Amino acid sequence: EVQLVESGGDLVQPGGSLRLSCAASGFTFSVYAMSWVRQAPGKGLEWVSAISGSSRNTYYADSVKGRFTISRDNSKNTLFLQMNSLRGADTAVYYCAKVPPDGYVIDAFDIWGQGTMVTVSS
Amino acid sequence: DIQMTQSPSTLSASVGDRVTITCRASQTITTWLAWYQQKPGKVPKLVIYRASSLESGVPSRFSGSGSGTEFTLTISSLQPDDFATYYCQQYSSKSSFGQGTKLEIK
Repeated sequence: EVQLVESGGDLVQPGGSLRLSCAASGFTFSVYAMSWVRQAPGKGLEWVSAISGSSRNTYYADSVKGRFTISRDNSKNTLFLQMNSLRGADTAVYYCAKVPPDGYVIDAFDIWGQGTMVTVSS
Repeated sequence: DIQMTQSPSTLSASVGDRVTITCRASQTITTWLAWYQQKPGKVPKLVIYRASSLESGVPSRFSGSGSGTEFTLTISSLQPDDFATYYCQQYSSKSSFGQGTKLEIK
């Protein structure tokens, strides 16, 4: 069974840092591009960042560029999101998501994790 | 950045109705568009990709159309399980989502 499991969400103060993880199983992780998508409480979806299977290419939304870093460890089938200089507007459920088998680095997302909650507040 | 605008924001309909949700892009995205269904407290589920391709396992009452800047998601005969919020997503230039359309029971 294809599965994505996020972890690392927490309550953090403004200006703080947090590292999210997404453990993948049930598919050949290294072949697929991955993304992070977030959803603030009661709000819509916002794409955050994407990374190619080889880590060669990374992309960021303007709202997080320069503060967030996406990475992956294909030997451990794990995706990461390092979040620095956190703001209240970053408060959201963070999902990791996988592209379809013939997908590009940024594509539709056929599999989503259950999400991990990040709360930025003093 | 490409802005995605959905209409309506809320749609009231009855079981058996045919409903259409529209998504407009601020610039052309050819057919790099997906639709998702999300129920409260649940993870988004892919319904349509490449504007008109039905995701495996999704009922055939769902269909998508459009290209360029205007797209539609149509449900031919609403079922009780279809009441949810629907989002469009462009993936032509980075990615962005529409604000969502809540489909509620009339």
